[in-house]
Amino acid sequence: AQSVSQHNHHVILSEAASLELGCNYSYGGTVNLFWYVQYPGQHLQLLLKYFSGDPLVKGIKGFEAEFIKSKFSFNLRKPSVQWSDTAEYFCAVSGGSNYKLTFGKGTLLTVNP
Amino acid sequence: ETGVTQSPTHLIKTRGQQVTLRCSSQSGHNTVSWYQQALGQGPQFIFQYYREEENGRGNFPPRFSGLQFPNYSSELNVNALELDDSALYLCASSPQGGEQETQYFGPGTRLLVL
Repeated sequence: AQSVSQHNHHVILSEAASLELGCNYSYGGTVNLFWYVQYPGQHLQLLLKYFSGDPLVKGIKGFEAEFIKSKFSFNLRKPSVQWSDTAEYFCAVSGGSNYKLTFGKGTLLTVNP
Repeated sequence: ETGVTQSPTHLIKTRGQQVTLRCSSQSGHNTVSWYQQALGQGPQFIFQYYREEENGRGNFPPRFSGLQFPNYSSELNVNALELDDSALYLCASSPQGGEQETQYFGPGTRLLVL
């Protein structure tokens, strides 16, 4: 069975600080990895995804994530956060024939101006 | 290009009632998945529909059922509502072809069961 663990429930940063959100997954086969973001009052949006190839993937709004297979990790990073990055961030994994997504519990990011 | 749409946006039901939620997939997408997101939790997979057939189901009881129509839109039906069914219900669609692993979400329907 697939599972996803997000280490931080709530992260509070000041603008311009660097961000790293942890994500570890458990799955026995080939996985696809995703980060989704949910801004206040908005629907889930895809930030970035990893299927294969270069383990460092770049997404929208300056976010990137690195897939480290040996650590079963897919951490999200941004060098300098903005107030507008305040949102909830979800890591998700899929694998198997129907590509169902298994989500972590999410990390709420608050960026103070 | 129209994204995933869901209706209604929110509704209130009482325990024991039945509810139907609707989803229109994004243009060109033939697969629809449904998720339940309880407060403070990540979305949980309910089931997926592909070509009008159920294509995988999560750990939800049979009173959660669904349909997919020839135009790829979908319904989620929940019978005998329980208080714990109160949640945000999300629909996601996936495209045909090489990007079928990527799911795009609608705004959700917020259900409150009293």
